[in-house]
Amino acid sequence: DAKTTQPNSMESNEEEPVHLPCNHSTISGTDYIHWYRQLPSQGPEYVIHGLTSNVNNRMASLAIAEDRKSSTLILHRATLRDAAVYYCILFPGGGADGLTFGKGTHLIIQP
Amino acid sequence: EADIYQTPRYLVIGTGKKITLECSQTMGHDKMYWYQQDPGMELHLIHYSYGVNSTEKGDLSSESTVSRIRTEHFPLTLESARPSHTSQYLCASSEMGRNTEAFFGQGTRLTVV
Repeated sequence: DAKTTQPNSMESNEEEPVHLPCNHSTISGTDYIHWYRQLPSQGPEYVIHGLTSNVNNRMASLAIAEDRKSSTLILHRATLRDAAVYYCILFPGGGADGLTFGKGTHLIIQP
Repeated sequence: EADIYQTPRYLVIGTGKKITLECSQTMGHDKMYWYQQDPGMELHLIHYSYGVNSTEKGDLSSESTVSRIRTEHFPLTLESARPSHTSQYLCASSEMGRNTEAFFGQGTRLTVV
């Protein structure tokens, strides 16, 4: 299965940009890069996804390296409500036909 | 806002009981999933479905079973609950294909005593 590697935790200050990295050196040509986040005591929430080009939506931006072996989720102005575990997922990724969640990055936002 | 619902939110039940966790979505999605998540740990895919009468096992082996007789409904059943089944169970749905997002329910936190 294609796997992703993320830092266990990151800390940022409120109202500053946050760059969450993800390495996926075994990505295949058909894998999409998905990002989800999970707030405490809630189910995961979709953030953004892309294939090759950088993507923007109302929540975040996704920057994908040219060789697709890494990507970065960018929160342009973090708020306390952005404190969550962020998951970088390759889909389909080679396993069962569902999103395969790793340990993710625990993002801590300081006021 | 996601239109996917799980009931109950919390369930405490005795060992040996049969339980069914309900999951319904109103988005007309063909694909539905069940995940299991222990506190502080990652989510594991245990079942998924491509549509009516389709069920598949996920990456993590589970003693639970699922059924899909209606598009909008994907219940999960444990015939005889054990303390090892204590966990959070999350249901999700999506359109077919990889260029699509999944919507998750709030989860059912199951405790077997």
